[in-house]
Amino acid sequence: AQKITQTQPGMFVQEKEAVTLDCTYDTSDQSYGLFWYKQPSSGEMIFLIYQGSYDEQNATEGRYSLNFQKARKSANLVISASQLGDSAMYFCAMREGRSGGANSKLTFGKGITLSVRP
Amino acid sequence: DSGVTQTPKHLITATGQRVTLRCSPRSGDLSVYWYQQSLDQGLQFLIQYYNGEERAKGNILERFSAQQFPDLHSELNLSSLELGDSALYFCASSVDHYLHEQFFGPGTRLTVL
Repeated sequence: AQKITQTQPGMFVQEKEAVTLDCTYDTSDQSYGLFWYKQPSSGEMIFLIYQGSYDEQNATEGRYSLNFQKARKSANLVISASQLGDSAMYFCAMREGRSGGANSKLTFGKGITLSVRP
Repeated sequence: DSGVTQTPKHLITATGQRVTLRCSPRSGDLSVYWYQQSLDQGLQFLIQYYNGEERAKGNILERFSAQQFPDLHSELNLSSLELGDSALYFCASSVDHYLHEQFFGPGTRLTVL
């Protein structure tokens, strides 16, 4: 079974509007972390936001917020006031298990392409 | 700029050859991770080093090996290259293996002809 599922086809949003990118995850661990990365066409991976499984509040970083619904195992990324530079591939990722040790790797979803229209 | 450097940026080589990819982590980061991104497999974890020691292995082929040196830079060695090894190889680093963010380097794009 896939641990990170991103099923949306390519997403389109009008500049200055908000957009939600969906991510569901599968884990039996109580301690885990969820991440979103952005990959523009230039190829680099840019860290956007992190949510720990025990964090009671949804993470926010500037225009990015993470809508964390633990019972539904979803960690959707919300981008507010979209900009043309937000056009990129977005990856959801998870780190399972206790902090440290052999479970520090990230497991990535297949990504979602976001296009921002002027 | 994440502070993680990778060289070379691009590498074109032939099947059967051996290449070495180099990564320098962010200053102060002890953990280095290697990932492979290909069209068919997506982003996959290969291997992790922490302060010079191997910590975790993922889907890394036996033809591939890595090490982390005392100055914490890391090298990924790919040998007996096949066409299917063509991919973008990322190095990432974090402060320690108690992971929060992993910061990614710009990647090395390997093309095997």
